[in-house]
Amino acid sequence: DAGVIQSPRHEVTEMGQEVTLRCKPISGHDYLFWYRQTMMRGLELLIYFNNNVPIDDSGMPEDRFSAKMPNASFSTLKIQPSEPRDSAVYFCASSPGTRYGYTFGSGTRLTVV
Amino acid sequence: DQQVKQNSPSLSVQEGRISILNCDYTNSMFDYFLWYKKYPAEGPTFLISISSIKDKNEDGRFTVFLNKSAKHLSLHIVPSQPGDSAVYFCAASQKPGGGADGLTFGKGTHLIIQP
Repeated sequence: DAGVIQSPRHEVTEMGQEVTLRCKPISGHDYLFWYRQTMMRGLELLIYFNNNVPIDDSGMPEDRFSAKMPNASFSTLKIQPSEPRDSAVYFCASSPGTRYGYTFGSGTRLTVV
Repeated sequence: DQQVKQNSPSLSVQEGRISILNCDYTNSMFDYFLWYKKYPAEGPTFLISISSIKDKNEDGRFTVFLNKSAKHLSLHIVPSQPGDSAVYFCAASQKPGGGADGLTFGKGTHLIIQP
C-alpha cells in the first residue's frame, strides 16, 4: 500500500486566490481526517469524515474553508479566498478506527503571500 | 485552551542516555493516549500507545507511562540513538486510536540526540 497520498507537496499562492489540497486515503480506512500544523497551535483537527460523511467540522477556522469527500478514495480541502494566516502544513490522515491510531500523509506546505 | 500540553518545546540528550518526554492533559474523558514521531518533511508516524486501564506499555526501547490521577504521561527512550532525533507529539482520545472522535495533539517536543 502506498499509504496516504497528498498533493501537492508544496503550494505557494497569492492572497485572495483559491487553493485546493488533495488526499487519497488508504484503501479500506473508514475515517479520514484533515489536520493543520502551525508553530503557534501545533496540530489542529479541522474536520473528519466517516464513510465519506463529514462528522465534525467544528475545527474548520471559518467559512473560507470547505472539505469534501465525494468517494472513499478521495478528499479535498479548499480555501477560498486564501489569506497569509492560512500558511501552514496541512496533513491528511486515515484510520480503520482501530487502537493503532492514524496513518498520516506527508503533508502539503501552503504559503500564502 | 490546550487540552494536551507538552511544555518542553525542545529537549537535548546525549546518545546512549535516557530521553524522557512529558505530556499533561486536562480532559478527564480521555482514555487513550498515543505518541507520534515526526521527521522534517514527513507526516507524523505512530510510535506507541496506552489505554487508561494500564499504567505502562513497553515496545523495545520505548516505554510509555501513564499516571491517570495526575493526568500525566511520559515517553522514555532507552538508550537514545541519533535516529531518534525528531519531533514527538503526544495525542489523546476518548476512543481507541481516536477513530470516532479525532485525536487531540500537543504542540510537540523536538528531541535532539547529541553524539
